[in-house]
Amino acid sequence: GENVEQHPSTLSVQEGDSAVIKCTYSDSASNYFPWYKQELGKRPQLIIDIRSNVGEKKDQRIAVTLNKTAKHFSLHITETQPEDSAVYFCAAKLQGGSEKLVFGKGTKLTVNP
Amino acid sequence: GAVVSQHPSRVICKSGTSVKIECRSLDFQATTMFWYRQFPKQSLMLMATSNEGSKATYEQGVEKDKFLINHASLTLSTLTVTSAHPEDSSFYICSASEAEKFSDTQYFGPGTRLTVL
Repeated sequence: GENVEQHPSTLSVQEGDSAVIKCTYSDSASNYFPWYKQELGKRPQLIIDIRSNVGEKKDQRIAVTLNKTAKHFSLHITETQPEDSAVYFCAAKLQGGSEKLVFGKGTKLTVNP
Repeated sequence: GAVVSQHPSRVICKSGTSVKIECRSLDFQATTMFWYRQFPKQSLMLMATSNEGSKATYEQGVEKDKFLINHASLTLSTLTVTSAHPEDSSFYICSASEAEKFSDTQYFGPGTRLTVL
């Protein structure tokens, strides 16, 4: 089945700097890759997603890039703010069959003021 | 946007009792809902996929007789933890996607924190 690896597990940056989180997936049939932000004790919130027919997607300070050949995708946050501090999860979904998402282990991002 | 609710948000019960958790899609229909379990500082672990009108599909290692799932309507799925024990204490979260839009996006409920004494 699909396996998603996420790095780093923790990331600390200064306010205003950029943060990059990387994920790799194992099944080339995966075609949907969302990123979720989860604050302590809260629900995961979708922040951006990308499909396999697109190489890059941007939404204000957040961008996601996808390299299908290498089977990896990355989350980029620019001009980080303290409120960006949270745990970020990447996920992958196989095309066809089950609708389930396979999640990475998460990255705890801390933005220091 | 799509909203998913869960009830209750917190529950404390004695060992041996059963607990029911409800997951509702408030403004959309969901033919498929998902139940996850999350331990502190860990990722989301998929327990089962709940399909409206049919039996749930459980992930490997999840006891279907212990975690009963019912998806009786397009807006409601329930998870019942039967004969709960302290090791069942966890954060349980459901998610759903919009059936009408054939959407890949999953929206999560706020979660239910279960504590078994």
